[in-house]
Amino acid sequence: EAGVAQSPRYKIIEKRQSVAFWCNPISGHATLYWYQQILGQGPKLLIQFQNNGVVDDSQLPKDRFSAERLKGVDSTLKIQPAKLEDSAVYLCASSLVVVEQFFGPGTRLTVL
Amino acid sequence: KQEVTQIPAALSVPEGENLVLNCSFTDSAIYNLQWFRQDPGKGLTSLLLIQSSQREQTSGRLNASLDKSSGRSTLYIAASQPGDSATYLCAVRPGQAGTALIFGKGTTLSVSS
Repeated sequence: EAGVAQSPRYKIIEKRQSVAFWCNPISGHATLYWYQQILGQGPKLLIQFQNNGVVDDSQLPKDRFSAERLKGVDSTLKIQPAKLEDSAVYLCASSLVVVEQFFGPGTRLTVL
Repeated sequence: KQEVTQIPAALSVPEGENLVLNCSFTDSAIYNLQWFRQDPGKGLTSLLLIQSSQREQTSGRLNASLDKSSGRSTLYIAASQPGDSATYLCAVRPGQAGTALIFGKGTTLSVSS
């Protein structure tokens, strides 16, 4: 069974630029999560999708972050414009509703 | 608001030692608790998942326990090896099945040969 795929693995941009991350969850997993992990911290939820609907985006900085999940499968997370404090690893995870979450390798973003 | 704390933040042990990592959470109304391993620059690998009705789970040299009433979980690693060196993260899923995980900051383990 293929795992959660993410791309790119690394991205370096300058502040005020825009960036997009892509995630392909495990086949059949209806729930998809985006987490932000700042260095030295645990991951923090940004947004949770159930199929292609948003379940929780209470911690998403909506003035600069946006996410979508088309057709209930792949998802993209966008930051526009980026700030220095957005430097972090962005992790995508997927799950069947009642069992464990499986994480992708993450995208490491550096904002200069 | 649920908060998860992991102690210690870092731990260094010689190879072969048995060790315990601690996790505490403030709200006992959890659905399940999951332990993850994270290697530098990598994503999270799930180690063990304990449902709220369970007391412990075992996988190889790893044993995780859960005391929901006291808001505590421990991860026991037997006969540690240098390959166990990584950051270990504890996460709880609040009361409902579909909600996202709340993570601690992790314990960084270093096992020397």
